[in-house]
Amino acid sequence: GAGVSQSPRYKVAKRGQDVALRCDPISGHVSLFWYQQALGQGPEFLTYFQNEAQLDKSGLPSDRFFAERPEGSVSTLKIQRTQQEDSAVYLCASRKDRAATNEKLFFGSGTQLSVL
Amino acid sequence: GNSVTQMEGPVTLSEEAFLTINCTYTATGYPSLFWYVQYPGEGLQLLLKATKADDKGSNKGFEATYRKETTSFHLEKGSVQVSDSAVYFCALIRGAGNMLTFGGGTRLMVKP
Repeated sequence: GAGVSQSPRYKVAKRGQDVALRCDPISGHVSLFWYQQALGQGPEFLTYFQNEAQLDKSGLPSDRFFAERPEGSVSTLKIQRTQQEDSAVYLCASRKDRAATNEKLFFGSGTQLSVL
Repeated sequence: GNSVTQMEGPVTLSEEAFLTINCTYTATGYPSLFWYVQYPGEGLQLLLKATKADDKGSNKGFEATYRKETTSFHLEKGSVQVSDSAVYFCALIRGAGNMLTFGGGTRLMVKP
């Protein structure tokens, strides 16, 4: 597609439910990032993939958070047993190549998760 | 660790006013610095960047100069438009790192 696509756009979950958030990066992009953006805050890094390999998951806040990218394209961020503090916008971003100084990071519009 | 601090918003200006949004950073080494913009309902977009000291990034009338001596990267525009209303984020990547570190964002509201 023309850009990074995320679905669903909005998700409402009851506390304790599991949720899965999807990211379709730009076709051919090697690098994929997940960020969490709380209301009124800047995005916070969660995890990074290079193709199917998860190279950095240091930002995942707890073991309830799990991300995968099994075929090196689409990625899913899963949150188990959701808590109210998980309420945030989850942003996905992709980048064409491995070069860390390549600034062309393309962001999706995000999934807004509300946990009641 | 790395961190970015921005002035808190909202910043409310009249059309054609001069804009400054302050950004300072803390990092070891020599980070690359960025400004991203988030328009309502849209994803973050790169606005401009600078990769070394004294570099000036510019785009769409916005400018920011990488000041190593003051560890700052303030965003400026000489004459803002209503269409500039958005949230602006300062960010850095250091060296070979893959991760963008963002500031808290500054909301700009431009009134006609």
